[in-house]
Amino acid sequence: SQQGEEDPQALSIQEGENATMNCSYKTSINNLQWYRQNSGRGLVHLILIRSNEREKHSGRLRVTLDTSKKSSSLLITASRAADTASYFCATSSYGNNRLAFGKGNQVVVIP
Amino acid sequence: NAGVTQTPKFRVLKTGQSMTLLCAQDMNHEYMYWYRQDPGMGLRLIHYSVGEGTTAKGEVPDGYNVSRLKKQNFLLGLESAAPSQTSVYFCASSRDRSEQYFGPGTRLTVT
Repeated sequence: SQQGEEDPQALSIQEGENATMNCSYKTSINNLQWYRQNSGRGLVHLILIRSNEREKHSGRLRVTLDTSKKSSSLLITASRAADTASYFCATSSYGNNRLAFGKGNQVVVIP
Repeated sequence: NAGVTQTPKFRVLKTGQSMTLLCAQDMNHEYMYWYRQDPGMGLRLIHYSVGEGTTAKGEVPDGYNVSRLKKQNFLLGLESAAPSQTSVYFCASSRDRSEQYFGPGTRLTVT
């Protein structure tokens, strides 16, 4: 079953603004990952945060994880038109060899 | 490195026909996965493999079979295609339970 659930599902922002999207999950996790998918392409891994981490940065990306609330957020700072894509969270649970993907967030950055 | 490649990129089948989708990776990854992506549904895991000669069912395995005879290849078969199998199919591989690397996808239409 789908575990990751992103919110909001569609976001339209101006170039230079920040974009924030959230993901909630239901069971205990080993790690949580965020992926980007450009239209018509495969998914690209962005960042992984482990269950014992609370915040992680990678370039203009900032991910937070709150295991008590079973939620994560992805912040993209100073957005660019090239950030226009769908963003998916995915969770890896202990004792499980697979990821559970959410339904994705569509982000449109207007130049 | 080519990463993860998928063959074919597009295919149209008639109901009842069979076909095999090929996934190949050159990263020496142990884990390989087949997903399908439908509008509004995110990615759903069909089958996966944790090593050469092993396969396991995912979330939506019915109507599909897989084989992993060589470590670098993961084949997805449709024995008798149905319109409900119209979808975009993605293959992915990973070294362990961390980030997955995705192929470009195969767009399949069953009429």
